[in-house]
Amino acid sequence: NAGVTQTPKFRILKIGQSMTLQCTQDMNHNYMYWYRQDPGMGLKLIYYSVGAGITDKGEVPNGYNVSRSTTEDFPLRLELAAPSQTSVYFCASMGGANYGYTFGSGTRLTVV
Amino acid sequence: GDSVTQMEGPVTLSEEAFLTINCTYTATGYPSLFWYVQYPGEGLQLLLKATKADDKGSNKGFEATYRKETTSFHLEKGSVQVSDSAVYFCALSPNTNAGKSTFGDGTTLTVKP
Repeated sequence: NAGVTQTPKFRILKIGQSMTLQCTQDMNHNYMYWYRQDPGMGLKLIYYSVGAGITDKGEVPNGYNVSRSTTEDFPLRLELAAPSQTSVYFCASMGGANYGYTFGSGTRLTVV
Repeated sequence: GDSVTQMEGPVTLSEEAFLTINCTYTATGYPSLFWYVQYPGEGLQLLLKATKADDKGSNKGFEATYRKETTSFHLEKGSVQVSDSAVYFCALSPNTNAGKSTFGDGTTLTVKP
């Protein structure tokens, strides 16, 4: 049981480039999330989804887009990368409010 | 809106010392409460949880009790080890609208031999 799988683990982007961070879960969870964690800081919610075909903004959505075409996959798209998007990105899934999150191992992104 | 306030860190303890990390919350209704742990260079892992008032969550020697009267969920461990050095996050998840879970800012624990 792989849980939540994120790829890539590391990436360096140049300003203005675009990329997609991949996230896949094999637990049939309806709820999925994208967070960013800046150095020494807590988690900030970027986008979330309560099921296939449904997405909604979190507290810091600007500069990002998501889609949820299947239950398993929840990719995060960065358009026109900026240095302010340098961060560690975590994807998570949850089966229900009482169960807690399962996190991926993260993607460390540097924009130069 | 919902909020979670954690004891500010960093916290430095000697091995075998007693650990308390305070967590208080503000929420409507009856949320579920969680502690997560993040070891260096890794993602967050669920450490323990409690889903209703007076429940005690426990795992790996850590404990926390859901206190509705004081809106608290303090993390405790009787004897910490060097391997417990990590960042600890308190979080709540409302029983409605599961997309709006709220995390505290995290408390960094360093245990010295």
